Amino acid sequence: QKEVEQNSGPLSVPEGAIASLNCTYSDRVSQSFFWYRQYSGKSPELIMSIYSNGDKEDGRFTAQLNKASQYVSLLIRDSQPSDSATYLCAAPVISSGSARQLTFGSGTQLTVLP
Amino acid sequence: KAGVTQTPRYLIKTRGQQVTLSCSPISGHRSVSWYQQTPGQGLQFLFEYFSETQRNKGNFPGRFSGRQFSNSRSEMNVSTLELGDSALYLCASSPGLLTSYNEQFFGPGTRLTVL
Repeated sequence: QKEVEQNSGPLSVPEGAIASLNCTYSDRVSQSFFWYRQYSGKSPELIMSIYSNGDKEDGRFTAQLNKASQYVSLLIRDSQPSDSATYLCAAPVISSGSARQLTFGSGTQLTVLP
Repeated sequence: KAGVTQTPRYLIKTRGQQVTLSCSPISGHRSVSWYQQTPGQGLQFLFEYFSETQRNKGNFPGRFSGRQFSNSRSEMNVSTLELGDSALYLCASSPGLLTSYNEQFFGPGTRLTVL
């Protein structure tokens, strides 16, 4: 099993709908998670961080962390065409000694249809 | 506050050459990490520097190296370029060492093409 996995996608939703993006992780992952958005041809942009079980809301974005089931999700409410991008889930993974490296999922490509 | 800057933005090299990429982190940030992004392999960690010392290294050959200066600016070098080194190279800045809670912020990247 990869440390951080994103299996869903590509994902298309109509404008105004809720987009749901999911990520699962292994035991080697430190218990904090980051969601990045990457537009085509651009670099990743941090949009959400979540460190504890439960939900964290920021505007139209909600991150959900379920440690028992080892998954983290990102909900985008009232999706807009400008949300069309690849969404990357990332988490620190213990690599050697106490050193950690930020490990990324393969990304989910989201398209919001007008 | 200015973001992470990377230079150059685009580079074209031929096989066998070497290349040096530069990264200036966000003011006050002391950790710089480097990543390679390709369509096939996604985003992969190269190394992390903190206080002028390499603190962690990913699974890349020794042709990939880096350093960090006292002002936290960092450079990475790739020697004896191969076609497979064509990628987007990203630098990420963080206030401190990558722990469970330090967030990383990416620069715009350097697009390297090896012919």
